[in-house]
Amino acid sequence: AQKVTQAQTEISVVEKEDVTLDCVYETRDTTYYLFWYKQPPSGELVFLIRRNSFDEQNEISGRYSWNFQKSTSSFNFTITASQVVDSAVYFCALSNDYKLSFGAGTTVTVRA
Amino acid sequence: EAGVTQSPTHLIKTRGQQATLRCSPISGHTSVYWYQQALGLGLQFLLWYDEGEERNRGNFPPRFSGRQFPNYSSELNVNALELEDSALYLCASSLAPTGASNQPQHFGDGTRLSIL
Repeated sequence: AQKVTQAQTEISVVEKEDVTLDCVYETRDTTYYLFWYKQPPSGELVFLIRRNSFDEQNEISGRYSWNFQKSTSSFNFTITASQVVDSAVYFCALSNDYKLSFGAGTTVTVRA
Repeated sequence: EAGVTQSPTHLIKTRGQQATLRCSPISGHTSVYWYQQALGLGLQFLLWYDEGEERNRGNFPPRFSGRQFPNYSSELNVNALELEDSALYLCASSLAPTGASNQPQHFGDGTRLSIL
């Protein structure tokens, strides 16, 4: 069975602090794809980053970075120097059977 | 480039009625997906259409159905509405089927369906 777990329900930080969001997944597939999405209060889901299962190189894109570790089935996401506009619900997702399986989401609140 | 567009933004119905939600994918995208985001239940996969055919469906009753038109736009129909159908319905599209590639799904703003 495919499953995505985001253990953190809510995170509150002060502006400019770093925020790391945890994501653990379960899958029997040998090839799979992982994604992070952001859902601001307005409701739309915004694609942020993706990672292929066969590429464990971790990257940085602007203020976003991610740490993919296949050995522990984790795909963590970090926002560096957080800003108030980063306040949103963040979802980790795993692709399987041509659909996305989402975690429950982590609500991030960045206070000025 | 226009994103995924959904209409209407809000829809209010009563129990037993039927609702139709519409979605236009990003130009060039052939795969369309529907998700339900109900309070407390998270994002649940509903349906996937590709090249006009239903390819996969989630664990929802048959009264949830839809179709994809030759221009790749899609409709989601919900018959015999129940109170628990109240949710945000999100449509997404992708350049290639998710799972066969790393193409992400791009989402619309959603239709908020309220059942009175």
